[in-house]
Formats: sequence, C-alpha cells, structure tokens
Amino acid sequence: GDSVTQMEGPVTLSEEAFLTINCTYTATGYPSLFWYVQYPGEGLQLLLKATKADDKGSNKGFEATYRKETTSFHLEKGSVQVSDSAVYFCALRMDSSGSARQLTFGSGTQLTVLP
Amino acid sequence: KAGVTQTPRYLIKTRGQQVTLSCSPISGHRSVSWYQQTPGQGLQFLFEYFSETQRNKGNFPGRFSGRQFSNSRSEMNVSTLELGDSALYLCASSLSAGLSENIQYFGAGTRLSVL
Repeated sequence: GDSVTQMEGPVTLSEEAFLTINCTYTATGYPSLFWYVQYPGEGLQLLLKATKADDKGSNKGFEATYRKETTSFHLEKGSVQVSDSAVYFCALRMDSSGSARQLTFGSGTQLTVLP
Repeated sequence: KAGVTQTPRYLIKTRGQQVTLSCSPISGHRSVSWYQQTPGQGLQFLFEYFSETQRNKGNFPGRFSGRQFSNSRSEMNVSTLELGDSALYLCASSLSAGLSENIQYFGAGTRLSVL
C-alpha cells in the first residue's frame, strides 16, 4: 500500500540554521504531497502542498519540491526561528477518481530550535 | 470564519465504557474525516463521511463507528473502550470528497484517556 517515510527525529538546531527534513513516499499512482505542522497541544496545520511532479510548495519560508524521479518531498527552510519548533508531518493523498481520499502520514519529525 | 471545532477537548473514561466525540466542520465543508494519533502508531485514518454517507474506512475494529448529520457535523463513537484506545482523535474537514484541490483542515483534537 501507499506509505510515507520520514526522517527520524528529534532534530535540534540553533536559530538561523538551515533545516532539511527528508521525506520519501511509495505510491502506486501520482499522489498529492503535503507538509503539516503540529504545535504543542494543537491539531495539524497545513504548511504547504504540491499536486504534481516538479511543483514547489512554499509558505512562511518553508519549501518542498515534488520529485517524482526520487519519490521525495523534502522540507527545507533557510533560517529557522525558535517559533518553528513543532512536529512536522509529511503526507500523501491519492487523487485518482474513485480512490480513497485519506491522507497517509509519515511518523513525524520533532524540531526544536534553540535561541 | 470559524475553524473545525472538536468537543470535548479532553475525556477520561474507564475500560469497557463507550464514548462519543463530536466534530463541527468549517461552514460550507461537506466532507469530514477522522484520524487517530498515538505515539506508537502515529496518525492513522479512521473514516471519511460525505453527505451523511461513509465513503471510506480505515483498518480499525467495528468498535469504532461514526456518522454525519445533514448539517455536516460528525460524531464518532468508540464502544467497549480498551486501554489502547487512548489517543488524540483528530477531525478534518474539506469542501468535498472528490476534488484534487481539496485541502483538509484539522481541528485541535479530542484527547481521550482510557483508565
């Protein structure tokens, strides 16, 4: 079945450091890909998405490019802030007609940014 | 406009009891999905409802059930609670169940503790 493999955490960085969180997927078709973020005590918030190969999603300084050839969707940010501390989830969704619409999530990566 | 509202935020139950969780989607959204989040299993899809019909179901026992009302509000029920049902239950709503541009918006979740 479809699956998402995400970089194991936790990740600890200093403020203004460069962030990469790796995400690869396995899917039988062409999924849409997402990054969600979860702050302590809250639900999930959509951070960015890409619906087809070579699309780049971006938001709040975060970026991820849909790479079909490597089945990857790595999350990057050039300069992290303390406020970016959260758990980040990579997810896929198959959008083929008639197929299930649920999100399949990776295991999550805890990011802590130190001042 | 108001986001996805889940009630209650916290619940404590004992083994063998049953519980009902509620989710009010964003106004105008007709699709509601439920997910279970645990430290061991991560985020797992429970079921999806659209127009009062269950469209898809994850790999959970029959003790987990749900329904959707004509106003798109949804409830999920867990009967004969087990210790392993302790989790954060997240509800997500989206405009419809069939569009590739659909985004799922999550509520803050209901934290269920089974003693």
